[in-house]
Amino acid sequence: DVKVTQSSRYLVKRTGEKVFLECVQDMDHENMFWYRQDPGLGLRLIYFSYDVKMKEKGDIPEGYSVSREKKERFSLILESASTNQTSMYLCASSFLPPRSGEYTDTQYFGPGTRLTVL
Amino acid sequence: GDSVTQMEGPVTLSEEAFLTINCTYTATGYPSLFWYVQYPGEGLQLLLKATKADDKGSNKGFEATYRKETTSFHLEKGSVQVSDSAVYFCALSGGGSQGNLIFGKGTKLSVKP
Repeated sequence: DVKVTQSSRYLVKRTGEKVFLECVQDMDHENMFWYRQDPGLGLRLIYFSYDVKMKEKGDIPEGYSVSREKKERFSLILESASTNQTSMYLCASSFLPPRSGEYTDTQYFGPGTRLTVL
Repeated sequence: GDSVTQMEGPVTLSEEAFLTINCTYTATGYPSLFWYVQYPGEGLQLLLKATKADDKGSNKGFEATYRKETTSFHLEKGSVQVSDSAVYFCALSGGGSQGNLIFGKGTKLSVKP
């Protein structure tokens, strides 16, 4: 079974702190994603990465950065946490589509980190 | 751009009732369609998927059929259980080459005994 793990289930930080959220997957997936989930807004894509050291902005990248130094690990960084970044953060991974042939585009999710910024 | 619209909740049903959660989409090309489920306090799990028109995805008694003519992928279950209480997300594989998914806003289902 695919396993995606996140470093913390619950996290409480203070405004202005630098926050690191870690995600690790064990399926050799090329793609990794960070979403935030808020009531009434569903899932919104923050950043994704399709290879080591590669990153692409999603729909709401402001206030966040990411790091992908190893294929299995994708980190989300809040440089200076603010109260409006209080949310549930979900990491996911999937295979990268090949140039031809069939593939599975299913994303596999971690359990989430509920971050509260005071 | 591509988008997913699903019925707003919350939906409250009695045990053994019939469930339908509507999902419609707009997309260029031929996306795959997904239903994910999120149980309380957990991440999302894939419930079922369909990769082409007229395909039916099914799992745990849930079904959904990829209808290209109506651009829909409605989720159904004939007899819900209390354990089905969760948030359900419809999604499609987005444009571009990186395998992104585009999600609906989610529908919360509560099943009462």
